[in-house]
Amino acid sequence: DAKTTQPNSMESNEEEPVHLPCNHSTISGTDYIHWYRQLPSQGPEYVIHGLTSNVNNRMASLAIAEDRKSSTLILHRATLRDAAVYYCILPYNQGGKLIFGQGTELSVKP
Amino acid sequence: NAGVTQTPKFQVLKTGQSMTLQCAQDMNHEYMSWYRQDPGMGLRLIHYSVGAGITDQGEVPNGYNVSRSTTEDFPLRLLSAAPSQTSVYFCASSRRPSGSSSNEQFFGPGTRLTVL
Repeated sequence: DAKTTQPNSMESNEEEPVHLPCNHSTISGTDYIHWYRQLPSQGPEYVIHGLTSNVNNRMASLAIAEDRKSSTLILHRATLRDAAVYYCILPYNQGGKLIFGQGTELSVKP
Repeated sequence: NAGVTQTPKFQVLKTGQSMTLQCAQDMNHEYMSWYRQDPGMGLRLIHYSVGAGITDQGEVPNGYNVSRSTTEDFPLRLLSAAPSQTSVYFCASSRRPSGSSSNEQFFGPGTRLTVL
């Protein structure tokens, strides 16, 4: 199974961009890179996913390295509501199961 | 659309009691799964189902049973509760995933279970 490595925690100031890194050096050619986040006392929610090209949506951007061994989730302007645990996940390539690691706990200071 | 719903929100059990955590979705999703989350930890997959009548084990299946008689419902049964099963349980659903595509999973609000 391909595994991911993320920093345990990061801090950001409100209104500033945040770059959340993820290493996945054993990624396979068919593994999509998923990002989910979990706000306090809530279930996880989908943020974004990609395969090879950089991706943008209303919540965030996903920058994927050319060799696909790492990716970065970019929040363009952090708000207090973005304080959460962010998970970088490579769905198991047989069935698409999501296997969660420890994630990165993002705190946002006003 | 109600999305993914879970009942109850909170439950306290005594060791050895049995109970069923309910999960339902109204999005006609084929794939459903159960996770548990212990304090300060990430989510661990208990069981999952790729369609009605089909279930399989995840990372931590011991002590839990599941069945999938309809597309909408995926109940999780604790046959004999133990204190080690004290956790928050999340149910999720998505369209059927495959190796060559990827689908967003939707999570329910969770059930907080305490076993005394």
